[in-house]
Amino acid sequence: EAGVAQSPRYKIIEKRQSVAFWCNPISGHATLYWYQQILGQGPKLLIQFQNNGVVDDSQLPKDRFSAERLKGVDSTLKIQPAKLEDSAVYLCASSKGLAGDPYNEQFFGPGTRLTVL
Amino acid sequence: RKEVEQDPGPFNVPEGATVAFNCTYSNSASQSFFWYRQDCRKEPKLLMSVYSSGNEDGRFTAQLNRASQYISLLIRDSKLSDSATYLCVVITGYSSASKIIFGSGTRLSIRP
Repeated sequence: EAGVAQSPRYKIIEKRQSVAFWCNPISGHATLYWYQQILGQGPKLLIQFQNNGVVDDSQLPKDRFSAERLKGVDSTLKIQPAKLEDSAVYLCASSKGLAGDPYNEQFFGPGTRLTVL
Repeated sequence: RKEVEQDPGPFNVPEGATVAFNCTYSNSASQSFFWYRQDCRKEPKLLMSVYSSGNEDGRFTAQLNRASQYISLLIRDSKLSDSATYLCVVITGYSSASKIIFGSGTRLSIRP
């Protein structure tokens, strides 16, 4: 079974530029998550999709971040414009079931390491 | 107070030792708990779910203490390959009403 795919793996941009990340979840997984992980911290949930609908984006800085999940499969996360503090690893995860289910395992992709100069 | 707290470590223990660490949470309504393992510069992977009655998987034992609001992870007969960061996850609510919080992780280093 193929895992969660993400691209690019690395990205270096200057502040105020735009950047987009792509995620392809495991086939059949209804729930997709985007996390931001700053060095030395745990992942922080930015947005959660169930199929192609947003179920939680309360921690997404909506003035600069946006995300979509077309046709309930692939997803893109965009930052525009980027700030220095956006430097982090952006992790995409997917799960078969719904968040909150005690048996709901999240499978993570390898992440995109973003450096903002 | 943080919603989910972990001792950052690092815990540095010899091979074969038993090591345990806790993760405290502030919301008494939280209902789902997990331990994930994250190797250096890799993605997190599920180690085990934490059930109310406690659960064991080989050398690993996870427990939940609802009264004191913490979960624990015990590793027996530690191996060099156990060196990693261990992240606890606490989920409150379901589906669109769920809140997922990861702890900052506890670093474990096993020495020969």
